[in-house]
Amino acid sequence: DQQVKQNSPSLSVQEGRISILNCDYTNSMFDYFLWYKKYPAEGPTFLISISSIKDKNEDGRFTVFLNKSAKHLSLHIVPSQPGDSAVYFCAASAKTSYDKVIFGPGTSLSVIP
Amino acid sequence: EPEVTQTPSHQVTQMGQEVILRCVPISNHLYFYWYRQILGQKVEFLVSFYNNEISEKSEIFDDQFSVERPDGSNFTLKIRSTKLEDSAMYFCASSEGLYTDTQYFGPGTRLTVL
Repeated sequence: DQQVKQNSPSLSVQEGRISILNCDYTNSMFDYFLWYKKYPAEGPTFLISISSIKDKNEDGRFTVFLNKSAKHLSLHIVPSQPGDSAVYFCAASAKTSYDKVIFGPGTSLSVIP
Repeated sequence: EPEVTQTPSHQVTQMGQEVILRCVPISNHLYFYWYRQILGQKVEFLVSFYNNEISEKSEIFDDQFSVERPDGSNFTLKIRSTKLEDSAMYFCASSEGLYTDTQYFGPGTRLTVL
């Protein structure tokens, strides 16, 4: 039951360009969305989040966009840096159980110098 | 900066044996979680724990699993009789509260069941 989908398992981007990571969800009860970054042999690290009352949230080089009608969100990284190379997980939770965070399968981003 | 720690980093066990994975959450956090990631698959929620009881659990978290906060600092996950399919990375996380409070993850314990 894939409630959170990330259809691109991998993405390669040139350093300095924009990275766009996409995520789709199926559960209309989700109202809080998060992006986590994960390096090998480490746990996921929180990156940025967005609540369903917003359609955009920005933090430095990272911006998350939410399109509720399409049940779609995206993470933009501008400009991309080699240190951004990692697996990015989209995640979501619902107001009925905020402690239960559902993760997508992840997208492996490679930023080429 | 405070962080979540987990021990051991790697645990190898025989099928049918009991294992206990240990976590020390961030000290002022009130909510604790276990997740697992089978190799090549997504991170999956197992259980959340608040006020000394389970607040939410997934269908994965069956009777073979239990969690405990035996003292003021440790948070443990016990698997009573391990199966081959329990082999995975197990991540502990903690947060101050719910909703907008970020869950901070530990580095994980790699469990290998032979």
